[in-house]
Amino acid sequence: DAKTTQPPSMDCAEGRAANLPCNHSTISGNEYVYWYRQIHSQGPQYIIHGLKNNETNEMASLIITEDRKSSTLILPHATLRDTAVYYCIALEYGNKLVFGAGTILRVKS
Amino acid sequence: GAGVSQTPSNKVTEKGKYVELRCDPISGHTALYWYRQSLGQGPEFLIYFQGTGAADDSGLPNDRFFAVRPEGSVSTLKIQRTERGDSAVYLCASSPRSASTDTQYFGPGTRLTVL
Repeated sequence: DAKTTQPPSMDCAEGRAANLPCNHSTISGNEYVYWYRQIHSQGPQYIIHGLKNNETNEMASLIITEDRKSSTLILPHATLRDTAVYYCIALEYGNKLVFGAGTILRVKS
Repeated sequence: GAGVSQTPSNKVTEKGKYVELRCDPISGHTALYWYRQSLGQGPEFLIYFQGTGAADDSGLPNDRFFAVRPEGSVSTLKIQRTERGDSAVYLCASSPRSASTDTQYFGPGTRLTVL
């Protein structure tokens, strides 16, 4: 599975959009981009995933560049409860998720 | 419906002891995964089951670690002769199958402390 690179931390004001970037320049054509988050002392929580097209669900939007070398997770109206570690993962097969260090998102009031 | 459950939530043991950690996946999910998370790091894959069989156990660190899923539902992770370095949160996840489009749903984890 391709390696992903994320900034170690980001801050976001409550109520504003949080845009979390991820680089996956070596991603292959069959690899999906997955986003999970982990709130303190809880198990990881699935957010969204995509292959080529942009995706949106009730939690977030995922924007994937045309060359698929990077993506952005967008939380449209961040709340204090969105403070967590966010993991971007490139995954070809639905088996082992390879977690990096992720991005610590701090939402501040 | 019920999510993935793990018991116990916390386990404290002494070095050299044997421990068992249990995972109850979401009903009907055929794929089950175990991960280990050390403090300040992301989860690391240990083993995954498709049904009753271990499809990939490449993440098990050594032969002190063993996992079973005899009836294709509940799984038990077994650690023999525990060491202080085994202290971590052990996470279990399940998914409907193991296809790339299947989401893995995680349990809350078992925090293992080896004194």
